[in-house]
Amino acid sequence: DVKVTQSSRYLVKRTGEKVFLECVQDMDHENMFWYRQDPGLGLRLIYFSYDVKMKEKGDIPEGYSVSREKKERFSLILESASTNQTSMYLCASRTIRQGGETQYFGPGTRLLVL
Amino acid sequence: GIQVEQSPPDLILQEGANSTLRCNFSDSVNNLQWFHQNPWGQLINLFYIPSGTKQNGRLSATTVATERYSLLYISSSQTTDSGVYFCAVAGGSQGNLIFGKGTKLSVKP
Repeated sequence: DVKVTQSSRYLVKRTGEKVFLECVQDMDHENMFWYRQDPGLGLRLIYFSYDVKMKEKGDIPEGYSVSREKKERFSLILESASTNQTSMYLCASRTIRQGGETQYFGPGTRLLVL
Repeated sequence: GIQVEQSPPDLILQEGANSTLRCNFSDSVNNLQWFHQNPWGQLINLFYIPSGTKQNGRLSATTVATERYSLLYISSSQTTDSGVYFCAVAGGSQGNLIFGKGTKLSVKP
């Protein structure tokens, strides 16, 4: 079974802190994604990575950065946390094979910024 | 960009009932997926279905790409089917998914 793990299920931080969210997948997938989920808005793409050291902005990259130094690990960084970054953060990895693609999601990190 | 609309936004069912969830999208797509998010937040891929019909147990999905909609059918619903169902689509070269706002399903015993 594919496993995508995230470093924390719940996190409480203060405004202005630097926050690191870690995501690890064990299936050698090249593509990885960070989303945030807010009530009534569905999932929105923050950043994605097609391979090691590669990163691309998604729909809402402002206030975030990412790091992909190893294939299995994709980190999301909040440079200076703000209260409007309180959200559920979901990491995913993707496999593409004949017949289609599948995204596998981690369990999510609920971040509260005070 | 592509717009994705799901209906209904909320659905309450009695255990054993059947239901149909709808996803409309505004442009041609080459990728459409259905996901289920359980009450604890875990998202699971149900179907990759850019066109045609697929079935997996009590769940089935149909996408009519020419008319820009997809349907997810749940038969003989169980309490474990509760959660939020998301439709997500992608078109064009980048292929990143755009998610609808979801249908929240509550199945009562």
